[in-house]
Amino acid sequence: EVVLTQSPATLSLSAGERATLSCRASQSVGTYLAWYQQKPGQVPRLLINDASRRATGIPARFSGSGSGTGFTLTISSLQPEDSATYFCQWRSHWPPMSSFGRGTKLEI
Amino acid sequence: QVQLVQSGAAVEKPGASVKVSCEASGYTFNIYYVHWVRQAPGHGLEWMGMFDPSYRTTAYAPKFQGRLTVTGDMSATTVYMELSGLTSEDTAVYYCSRDIFGGDPENYRYNGLDVWGQGTAVTVSS
Repeated sequence: EVVLTQSPATLSLSAGERATLSCRASQSVGTYLAWYQQKPGQVPRLLINDASRRATGIPARFSGSGSGTGFTLTISSLQPEDSATYFCQWRSHWPPMSSFGRGTKLEI
Repeated sequence: QVQLVQSGAAVEKPGASVKVSCEASGYTFNIYYVHWVRQAPGHGLEWMGMFDPSYRTTAYAPKFQGRLTVTGDMSATTVYMELSGLTSEDTAVYYCSRDIFGGDPENYRYNGLDVWGQGTAVTVSS
């Protein structure tokens, strides 16, 4: 089972700054990694799929990079509405399996 | 429009079972996998298991093996999640979601969990 480790656990930044969130996998997952944003009381929202592809309707300030065991979610020029918890998720095609990281709470 | 609609909140006693439904609409049901993810109060997202409507197969996280059963009703385009042996630690919001792999078999792309149900609150209390 792949374990995803996200860092930092909490990140406090100001509007207009850049945020860099890390997700490390215990073994290589290729590019089968996605990032989600979740605000309190809301359903998670897909931001990035296949490690670096923005999902439909996601603003260009969100970008993903990495492959293998190291991944990064970058939010350039933070907006107040970006305050949320961000999760990374790994998915195996075969055998089918998945898991989430513990999340990074971003405070603006 | 594409949506996943879940059944309503449930309150169960310790040791009981709970069954939550997830009805899919607006897309071709048998080409997307359906996953179950839960979130305990103040905690993160936890992947539980999944259903492949194309082959009617399932996969479960090791933590839930033997206690979780995911089934599907193809005619009703509905997936069910049943969790048995409930304890207070199973109190959580349970979500269903869908995903798919795009591209060619030689070069799959993971499209992510792009549509989510509204969530079902399950409370385990005596």
